[in-house]
Amino acid sequence: DADVTQTPRNRITKTGKRIMLECSQTKGHDRMYWYRQDPGLGLRLIYYSFDVKDINKGEISDGYSVSRQAQAKFSLSLESAIPNQTALYFCATSDFRDEQYFGPGTRLTVT
Amino acid sequence: AQSVTQLGSHVSVSEGALVLLRCNYSSSVPPYLFWYVQYPNQGLQLLLKYTSAATLVKGINGFEAEFKKSETSFHLTKPSAHMSDAAEYFCAVSDEGGTSYGKLTFGQGTILTVHP
Repeated sequence: DADVTQTPRNRITKTGKRIMLECSQTKGHDRMYWYRQDPGLGLRLIYYSFDVKDINKGEISDGYSVSRQAQAKFSLSLESAIPNQTALYFCATSDFRDEQYFGPGTRLTVT
Repeated sequence: AQSVTQLGSHVSVSEGALVLLRCNYSSSVPPYLFWYVQYPNQGLQLLLKYTSAATLVKGINGFEAEFKKSETSFHLTKPSAHMSDAAEYFCAVSDEGGTSYGKLTFGQGTILTVHP
């Protein structure tokens, strides 16, 4: 089984809808991250969490919110989706300052 | 704030040729540096990492990278390209410290194409 799983893998939604992307990990790591990937821009950090009680904004948090339900679960929500949030979203986990392990990604399209 | 610049958004090589993907970073303290690879429709996979030990780092699939502090560079190389190396490659630097210690800043990515 994969160490980091994301659901759904693909989602098409309409402008104004609320949507939640979920991430689960079996690595036992305290640190979890949400990124979005856009062509030519690399990965940009949306939110990160260093433990269940610690949530921090990344460089592009506007329009997004997160919930850390447990050490293994970190969800990303778009309260009111807009077309420029169409992107590939990745969840990742890490142990302190070590490498990050990535999920397979969620391709989100907002029409 | 740290930053990463990958020179060349697209690199094309022939099978068997040298692969060189360039990465420069900015950091005021010794960084941790990473190269990740993304194959089509997949997540990112770690190729190699520099964590202040040996400056020449060997990774998976025959890739290696050399940390050069004087040039603030961490270029990725492979002596002989294979068709299976076609993918997008990302360079990343870890955050310097403080409460955000351990976050990664990514470059914009380099798409490697390998021609027969």
